Amino acid sequence: EVQLVESGGGLVQPGGSLRLSCEASGFTFSNYWMHWVRQAPGKGPVWVSYINTDGSSTNYADSVKGRFTISRDNAKNTLYLQMNSLRVEDTAVYYCARDGISDRPIDYWGQGTLVAVSS
Amino acid sequence: DIQMTQSPSTLSASVGDRVTITCRASQFISKYLAWYQQKPGKGPKLLIYHASSLESGVPSRFSGSGFGTEFTLTISSLQPDDFATYYCQQYDGSRPFGQGTKVEIK
Repeated sequence: EVQLVESGGGLVQPGGSLRLSCEASGFTFSNYWMHWVRQAPGKGPVWVSYINTDGSSTNYADSVKGRFTISRDNAKNTLYLQMNSLRVEDTAVYYCARDGISDRPIDYWGQGTLVAVSS
Repeated sequence: DIQMTQSPSTLSASVGDRVTITCRASQFISKYLAWYQQKPGKGPKLLIYHASSLESGVPSRFSGSGFGTEFTLTISSLQPDDFATYYCQQYDGSRPFGQGTKVEIK
């Protein structure tokens, strides 16, 4: 069974940093591109970032470019999101998600971890 | 950037009703449109990909259609488990989501 378990969320002040982790199981992690997607309270999901299978290619939404860094450790089956210079508008539930094989869309999501940015 | 516009934003329906949700893309996106179902406190669940392909394990009462810029999700006979919020997403490039359609009990 595919499982994605996020951790590392919490309350942080504006300008602060957090590192999210996502532990994957039930599939060969190193074969899949992975994403971070966030969802502010009462709003729709918003794609944040993706990373390819070996970490050599990444992409970011304009709203987080230069502040967030996605990475992965295939030996540990773990995806990361380093978030720096956090803003109030970064407050959201952050989901780890698995990209589908070939040209298919995201096919599995974690349960999410809440990041709250407030003074 | 491509924008995805869903309608309606809220839909009131009864068990057994046929329900249709529309998603429009601001630019041509070919077949690269997915539909997701989300329940409170959970991550979204993939229902449809390539605009009309049913994800494995998803009930056949769900169907998708469309190509290019106009897409629809249809639930042929609404079941109690289907009351949820539905999102479309374009997945060739920037991956924007629609704003969602909440299907609630009438």
